Amino acid sequence: GAVVSQHPSRVICKSGTSVKIECRSLDFQATTMFWYRQFPKQSLMLMATSNEGSKATYEQGVEKDKFLINHASLTLSTLTVTSAHPEDSSFYICSARTPRGDGYTFGSGTRLTVV
Amino acid sequence: AQTVTQSQPEMSVQEAETVTLSCTYDTSENNYYLFWYKQPPSRQMILVIRQEAYKQQNATENRFSVNFQKAAKSFSLKISDSQLGDTAMYFCAFMKRGGTSYGKLTFGQGTILTVHP
Repeated sequence: GAVVSQHPSRVICKSGTSVKIECRSLDFQATTMFWYRQFPKQSLMLMATSNEGSKATYEQGVEKDKFLINHASLTLSTLTVTSAHPEDSSFYICSARTPRGDGYTFGSGTRLTVV
Repeated sequence: AQTVTQSQPEMSVQEAETVTLSCTYDTSENNYYLFWYKQPPSRQMILVIRQEAYKQQNATENRFSVNFQKAAKSFSLKISDSQLGDTAMYFCAFMKRGGTSYGKLTFGQGTILTVHP
C-alpha cells in the first residue's frame, strides 16, 4: 500500500515551453505532497510543499512563478515548469507522507531535459 | 533547524562482507524519526529502515540494522552479508514529529555504496 505514481518518467522539451509533471497517490489520500529536485550524485533538495486546496509553500530560493504547483484533489499534485531553460534540466521527485504518518513514500521521479 | 551529515561520500565493500555507513544529525527536538533510504540506479527512493527516537532498541530489517545513539546524535547503518543489489546511494534522513515543520524530511548528502563481486 501507500503507492505514489509519478508521470512522465522522462520528458524532453524545448527552451521556452512548459512541462507538467503529475504525482498521484494511488491507494490513499495525500493532503500534503512534497516536491524535490535532485542533481546527479547529490542529495534531494526540497522545492515546495503542496497542500490540497491551498497554496503551496515554497522553500527559500525557489521561484514560485517558474515552478507552479497545484494540488487540486486529495490524490493529485502537479508541478509545472514554466518557460523552461536548460538549467532547469534535472531529476524531479515527489513524495507523500504515509497514511500512518510514520514515513514517506516516493514517486519514481521524472528526468527533465530542456534543449 | 535540523541538519543531517553523512561524512562518507563513497564506500565500497566486497560481496558477503559487512559495511557501516555513518550519519550524524543535529536537533533540539526529542520526538522524531530517523530513516535510511536507498536510491539504486533506477533512482527510485526505497525505505531501508526506520527508527523512532523514543525507542531505545535499535531497528533491524533482515540484513540491515542501525546503531542509534541518541545522546551522541548518531545513526549508523550496518549492512551485513552485502549483496550486489545493495549497490546504491544511501541517504540518512530526519523527520520531526509535531509542530509547524511536521513531516518535512531533512536529508544528508548521501553515500554512494558499491558492492564488488
